[in-house]
Formats: sequence, C-alpha cells, structure tokens
Amino acid sequence: KNEVEQSPQNLTAQEGEFITINCSYSVGISALHWLQQHPGGGIVSLFMLSSGKKKHGRLIATINIQEKHSSLHITASHPRDSAVYICAVTGEYGNKLVFGAGTILRVKS
Amino acid sequence: GAGVSQSPSNKVTEKGKDVELRCDPISGHTALYWYRQSLGQGLEFLIYFQGNSAPDKSGLPSDRFSAERTGGSVSTLTIQRTQQEDSAVYLCASSLGSRGGPQETQYFGPGTRLLVL
Repeated sequence: KNEVEQSPQNLTAQEGEFITINCSYSVGISALHWLQQHPGGGIVSLFMLSSGKKKHGRLIATINIQEKHSSLHITASHPRDSAVYICAVTGEYGNKLVFGAGTILRVKS
Repeated sequence: GAGVSQSPSNKVTEKGKDVELRCDPISGHTALYWYRQSLGQGLEFLIYFQGNSAPDKSGLPSDRFSAERTGGSVSTLTIQRTQQEDSAVYLCASSLGSRGGPQETQYFGPGTRLLVL
C-alpha cells in the first residue's frame, strides 16, 4: 500500500461544477502539499498545510490530521483547471516529498 | 526573480553513455531536491541537499546515480552507464531551507526529459 493515496484517479467535470479531490496518508507528517501539473508543463505548488484550511481564489484545501486525510476543492471549475493534481507529504523527520499518484482532471466547456 | 532552471531541457542518449543534468536553484535557497517522474511510475524522490551536503540520498536507485552541489548553489545529477529504464523526466526543486525544510514550499524547475535509446 502506498503511503499517499489519492482519489479519484481520473475526473471529468462540466464547466462550473464543484470538484473535490481526496488524499489519504498513512504516515506521520509535518506538512501536506497540493501540486498542479499541466500537460507538458512544470509543477506548481498550490498549497502547503499542516492544519485546518487554506483558500486561494477558487481553490480550497483542507486537512484533518486525526483522520490523516486532505481534500482539494475547486469551485466554479473552468477548462483551464484541467491538469494533474498531486498530493504529497513531508514526513515528521525528513524534508523529501512523498507523492500520491495524481488525479487527472478534465473540465469540459 | 528567476525560478529554478534546469538544463538541458531534453537529452537523448545511447544506452551505456554517461549523462549530466544541471539544476540552478532560486538564489538564496539552501535546500535542493532531485526527483524523477517516470511514465507509469509517478514522482519519486532521489536526493536532498542542504547547502553542499546531502543528508538524504535514500532515493538514488543505484550506484550509477550520483549528485553533487557546489558553492551552495548549482547541482549536477550524473547517471553513469545509462539504461533504458533511466528514461524519465528529472525534476529539481528548491526551498529556502532556513527552518530545516519540512514545512517549506518547494519550487520546481521545468525538468530534463531524458530518453535512453
């Protein structure tokens, strides 16, 4: 079993829909990261959080430390949100990122 | 300011040859990471530098892989005697490193796409 599990693997949504991507982890962490990768593009850090909730524009990330679970929400989705969304964690004692497999999101107009 | 840069952006090599991949981190970032993204394998950690030292090399897949960092800045990842399974995108990331790293945003470079024929 991977240390970081994401669901769903693939997600297709209609423009305007509310989207949720889930991430569960099985190890102690110091921080959880949500990353975005556009096709052929580089990786951009969206959020880093260790507790609670963060919001940036139409994106919201939440984390429940007790349940070892995080969600990334996209409100009013748009075709430009189409990308791979990757959950990653940094462990309690290390600096490296341990990655989930990613969620491929396609938003249709 | 400038982000993380990597060179070359693409590299095609023959099996058995050595390759060197370069990473220029964001100025002032003392922490530097190498990751690999293989088709069907996802992203995996290779090595972490704090300054010029590498406290975590646990992700290097074999002794054909090595990396160094000089002057606390540029890093080079070297793959000796390349194999076809080394084909992947090699990504570099950097972070401030001022607080020891675990709770810092990592900034990624565009990657080097390596193809071993």
